[in-house]
Amino acid sequence: EAGVAQSPRYKIIEKRQSVAFWCNPISGHATLYWYQQILGQGPKLLIQFQNNGVVDDSQLPKDRFSAERLKGVDSTLKIQPAKLEDSAVYLCASSFLAGGRGKTQYFGPGTRLLVL
Amino acid sequence: AQSVTQLGSHVSVSEGALVLLRCNYSSSVPPYLFWYVQYPNQGLQLLLKYTTGATLVKGINGFEAEFKKSETSFHLTKPSAHMSDAAEYFCAVSGVGAGGTSYGKLTFGQGTILTVHP
Repeated sequence: EAGVAQSPRYKIIEKRQSVAFWCNPISGHATLYWYQQILGQGPKLLIQFQNNGVVDDSQLPKDRFSAERLKGVDSTLKIQPAKLEDSAVYLCASSFLAGGRGKTQYFGPGTRLLVL
Repeated sequence: AQSVTQLGSHVSVSEGALVLLRCNYSSSVPPYLFWYVQYPNQGLQLLLKYTTGATLVKGINGFEAEFKKSETSFHLTKPSAHMSDAAEYFCAVSGVGAGGTSYGKLTFGQGTILTVHP
């Protein structure tokens, strides 16, 4: 079974530029998550989709971050414009079951973003 | 609301020694608890999880953890460390999300880097 795929793996941009990350979850997984992991910290949830609907975006900085999940499969996370403090690893995860708290989340390898 | 505190950002052990990584949690609902491991430049991999039932949970690679409600703890142990165990370990709790919904949102601790010496 293929895992969660993410691209690109690394990205370096100047502040105020825009950037987009792509995630392809495990086939059949209803729920998709985007996390931000700043160096030295644990991942922090940015947004959670169930199929193609948003169920939690309470920690997404909506003035600069946006995300979509078209057709309930792939997802794109965008930052526009980027700030220095956005330098982090962006992790995508997916889980099979919709709803419930005990389900396992499967993580992709992440995209490492450096904003100069 | 929920939170996780991992005591010790770095733990160093000798190969063959006991591994003990500490995790304390706070949750407004009965907690579901997870331990994930992250190797360099990789995503997180589930080691084990507690949802309900038996409080001693066994996971992959010889790790286990015990849920202690009275101590609000979920410490991770392994009897004998191996060089391949060197990685960063994250404890997480699944509570409730925005508006009290239960969609599986994970709140992570800050992580513990495990170093294993020969």
